[in-house]
Amino acid sequence: GAVVSQHPSWVICKSGTSVKIECRSLDFQATTMFWYRQFPKQSLMLMATSNEGSKATYEQGVEKDKFLINHASLTLSTLTVTSAHPEDSSFYICSAKLPGQGLGPQHFGDGTRLSIL
Amino acid sequence: DAKTTQPNSMESNEEEPVHLPCNHSTISGTDYIHWYRQLPSQGPEYVIHGLTSNVNNRMASLAIAEDRKSSTLILHRATLRDAAVYYCILRGTAGGTSYGKLTFGQGTILTVHP
Repeated sequence: GAVVSQHPSWVICKSGTSVKIECRSLDFQATTMFWYRQFPKQSLMLMATSNEGSKATYEQGVEKDKFLINHASLTLSTLTVTSAHPEDSSFYICSAKLPGQGLGPQHFGDGTRLSIL
Repeated sequence: DAKTTQPNSMESNEEEPVHLPCNHSTISGTDYIHWYRQLPSQGPEYVIHGLTSNVNNRMASLAIAEDRKSSTLILHRATLRDAAVYYCILRGTAGGTSYGKLTFGQGTILTVHP
């Protein structure tokens, strides 16, 4: 149980295009999901907290107009990288927690590797 | 957020126990100690978590010091599939919409030798 799925797992696109990444909780409802970014040889950096039915909370230094987050349902959050450039190339990972388990485990997707040419 | 300190890397032989240490001297009374691991090109995987008492599950054991300023993740018999980056994270009770968020450090790279 507690499976989180990300799609796509890998995407290559041209500079200037927008890319949407989906994060789904397959067997549970997630009122809160988290989006992370990981550059090669580095640790995960939290980008934002996605809350169903309300605006996302962005970490300091993350451009909210660049990284659009939508959490329209209890099982789906999307991250759109707008006007992507090569410096946005990274490994993007989402996670979700089970309802009612505020400080319990987070369940992670397998990540999306984004390459901008 | 309270910070954790872990060794950059550790090595083990297959079938032997592994003890991965973590220091968290500024832990607050309500911080949970979480361990996750990340295999190459995958998202992190939850391993175990605890508050004060030692914890066991099918993957590992978590030994928490009495003063809670350190903890040790124990893999009882390492396998090649346990080679990963292991993250020790304090998960706090900060309020607001980022409640319970995880802040990842650099973790410990575990190498398991056949």
